[in-house]
Amino acid sequence: DIQMTQSPSTLSASVGDKVTITCRASQSISSWLAWYQQKPGKAPKVLIYQASSLESGVPSRFSGSGSGTEFTLTISSLQPDDFATYYCQQYNVYPWTFGQGTKVDIK
Amino acid sequence: EVQLVESGGDLVQPGGSLRLSCAASGFTLSSYSMNWVRQAPGKGLQWVSYISSGGSTIYYAGSVKGRFTISRDNAKNSLFLQMDSLRDEDTAVYYCATAGTYAWFRHWGQGTLVTVSS
Repeated sequence: DIQMTQSPSTLSASVGDKVTITCRASQSISSWLAWYQQKPGKAPKVLIYQASSLESGVPSRFSGSGSGTEFTLTISSLQPDDFATYYCQQYNVYPWTFGQGTKVDIK
Repeated sequence: EVQLVESGGDLVQPGGSLRLSCAASGFTLSSYSMNWVRQAPGKGLQWVSYISSGGSTIYYAGSVKGRFTISRDNAKNSLFLQMDSLRDEDTAVYYCATAGTYAWFRHWGQGTLVTVSS
């Protein structure tokens, strides 16, 4: 199975900060990567697919980049609604696997 | 509006069985492949099972293969997960989720809680 490793596991930031989360795959997954946001008690919500494509309705402050084994999710200016846990997911090879999550909390 | 509503979660003893359902509305289920994804309490997301739009292709995570069975009834816009030989480690919120041509998950239900405990 492909292992997805996110860093950091927890990130403390302030409103207005630029935030970057990294996701590394144990083998190349080309650009077959998605990013999700999850708030407590809620279902995940897709933000980015195919590594850098912004899902419809998602604010443009979210962006994704990378290919192969290293990927990043960037929030250009953190907003109060963005405090949540973020997951990456590879869909290059079955079984599809998620990273362990990065919790973004208030500094 | 696309809506997915899971049901069937419950408290069950180890070794027991449970059948989860996912009712779709606002779109034609037969146009999408479907998945179950679970999340143990306080833990991350784990993909569980996939079924193609017509039901001809099915995949399972290794941890549930041979114990869980995914199925769908496109005429009734419904997805199912039959869970047998349940273990403590199957305790989780189970989500159904749509996938398109590629296996990223656009639409999710609200989840249903399965608790396996004696």
